[in-house]
Amino acid sequence: QSALTQPASVSGSPGQSITISCTGTYADVGANNYVSWYQQHPGKAPRLLIYDVSTRPSGVSSRFSGSRSGNTASLTISGLQADDEADYYCSPYTRSNTLLFGGGTKLTVL
Amino acid sequence: EVHLLESGGGLVQPGRSLRLSCAASGFTFNNYAMSWVRQAPGKGLEWVSGITGSGGSTSYGDSVKGRFTISRDNSKNTLYLQMTSLRAEDTAVYYCAKVLWSDDSLHLGPYDSWGQGTLVTVSS
Repeated sequence: QSALTQPASVSGSPGQSITISCTGTYADVGANNYVSWYQQHPGKAPRLLIYDVSTRPSGVSSRFSGSRSGNTASLTISGLQADDEADYYCSPYTRSNTLLFGGGTKLTVL
Repeated sequence: EVHLLESGGGLVQPGRSLRLSCAASGFTFNNYAMSWVRQAPGKGLEWVSGITGSGGSTSYGDSVKGRFTISRDNSKNTLYLQMTSLRAEDTAVYYCAKVLWSDDSLHLGPYDSWGQGTLVTVSS
């Protein structure tokens, strides 16, 4: 069981926006600016969406954005598309120099 | 194009050992830290271990510390994970992952490239 809290599931209709939260502590999510988000489609490897809290790698759509307030990081997906249906994981680098992953959130596009 | 190909997974009895490999291509392998991340069936991701580009520094998750050893052969562009004293709870798909940053620090993420994974099943 992950020490980070993500909602087990979220849903939205095409074109809408959703936000996935990732709540931790000052020792992980709130420790530094090293929070990443990954997308994983069933049977596939994870894909990096966001790093350093809010930076998008090249090739990632601007529909994906990241933010943080205190010990909670958030991933927002705007203009939902069918292909966004996947699992999403947050991943902070901790004060104890280890890496954590959240328990994952299943996004359903209605 | 970056390509990571894991191999070495399979069915192994509890208490036995197994070595995973990850063949890398498409980038200057020794410039990048690498990690192993695993995913138990139907579960989330779990960071396992990381190593610097030179191989000089390593780090392990608490659940595998003392049992698993990460290493790399930069002349062969290959990352390894030696797993000993395997337990049922080590059953998972094991991914190798490349860190975004190019230097010799022990970066644990972010991971911009992943392999397709290799399944390790620990069962009698």
